[in-house]
Amino acid sequence: NAGVTQTPKFRVLKTGQSMTLLCAQDMNHEYMYWYRQDPGMGLRLIHYSVGEGTTAKGEVPDGYNVSRLKKQNFLLGLESAAPSQTSVYFCASSALGPTDTQYFGPGTRLTVL
Amino acid sequence: AQTVTQSQPEMSVQEAETVTLSCTYDTSESDYYLFWYKQPPSRQMILVIRQEAYKQQNATENRFSVNFQKAAKSFSLKISDSQLGDAAMYFCAYTSGTYKYIFGTGTRLKVLA
Repeated sequence: NAGVTQTPKFRVLKTGQSMTLLCAQDMNHEYMYWYRQDPGMGLRLIHYSVGEGTTAKGEVPDGYNVSRLKKQNFLLGLESAAPSQTSVYFCASSALGPTDTQYFGPGTRLTVL
Repeated sequence: AQTVTQSQPEMSVQEAETVTLSCTYDTSESDYYLFWYKQPPSRQMILVIRQEAYKQQNATENRFSVNFQKAAKSFSLKISDSQLGDAAMYFCAYTSGTYKYIFGTGTRLKVLA
């Protein structure tokens, strides 16, 4: 039981490049989330999903897209990376919705030059 | 708008002693949920404790307990018998059950041997 895993762990991009972050969970959770964590700030919700095939915007969705084609996977895409997207990205999942315990992945440190 | 404030950027505690981390929040909602998450150097966030606002009783989990003062909008975390493994960033978080999570800026806890 691996819990929540994220791929890759580190990535460096140049401005304008694109990439996809993969989140996978093996707990059969319905709800999945993408957050970003910046220095001196708490986590901020980018997008979330309440089930396979559904996605919705969180607090800071601009510049990101997501997809949930399979229940266990939640992908976060950056179409044209900007330096402002330099951050640590965390994926999380929960069984019963936003008031339930969230299980987090180990994070992806992304640097955009 | 809801806010979560952690006024202590850093705290230190001697091993085996007790420490209290403070968290205050602001909301006009009557029903909501509060969380403390621990983020060790490995970065992977782990739920420490969860409190439902409509429950009067303070939540406890082994050496971790909260002092929930609903009228004062205060949600402090007490760690008893501190251990070296407790060293981490601790984040206070709030949700009213919508997909809007508010995280505090965190308190770095150092445990001194």
